[in-house]
Amino acid sequence: QKEVEQNSGPLSVPEGAIASLNCTYSDRGSQSFFWYRQYSGKSPELIMFIYSNGDKEDGRFTAQLNKASQYVSLLIRDSQPSDSATYLCAVMVSRKLTFGTGTRLTIIP
Amino acid sequence: NAGVMQNPRHLVRRRGQEARLRCSPMKGHSHVYWYRQLPEEGLKFMVYLQKENIIDESGMPKERFSAEFPKEGPSILRIQQVVRGDSAAYFCASSPGTGAADTQYFGPGTRLTVL
Repeated sequence: QKEVEQNSGPLSVPEGAIASLNCTYSDRGSQSFFWYRQYSGKSPELIMFIYSNGDKEDGRFTAQLNKASQYVSLLIRDSQPSDSATYLCAVMVSRKLTFGTGTRLTIIP
Repeated sequence: NAGVMQNPRHLVRRRGQEARLRCSPMKGHSHVYWYRQLPEEGLKFMVYLQKENIIDESGMPKERFSAEFPKEGPSILRIQQVVRGDSAAYFCASSPGTGAADTQYFGPGTRLTVL
């Protein structure tokens, strides 16, 4: 079992719709959870982090964490073509980030 | 530019040569991390350093790879006697070392090509 699992996609979403990205993790000692966005050939860019159960909203983005189910998700509302990228889920244990392989998201105009 | 800086951005080496990758953390950050991204693979943790100390090197290959973060100057990831399998993007991240999540911010990366 992979430590951090994501659906590799590609995930295609019409412009203006909600994109839903999911991630599960295996280490119950995971302390914090991060979503990064990576455009092709570029470095990971932090979108948001969450460390408490529940929802956390930042603009068009909402992160959801359920530690009992070991599940993290990212919702992107009003999707824009510029949101097309690979989205990386990462979990932190002892300051070390373990990444999923990423979900490739394409927003269709 | 207050972000994480890495240089060079692109590095070409022949098999058997040495590669030195440099990373300057964001202003105010004292923790540095190195990650490697092989083609079509995910990011993998290599090493975590604070000034003059290696905290966690559990992701570093046992041979040919070393890292340092001296009291003065940037952090350096050194790869000796490079092989084709070392071709990858190497990313440095930094964090302040405080806060509930101690968020890591990534530099632009160094893309290493071994001929």
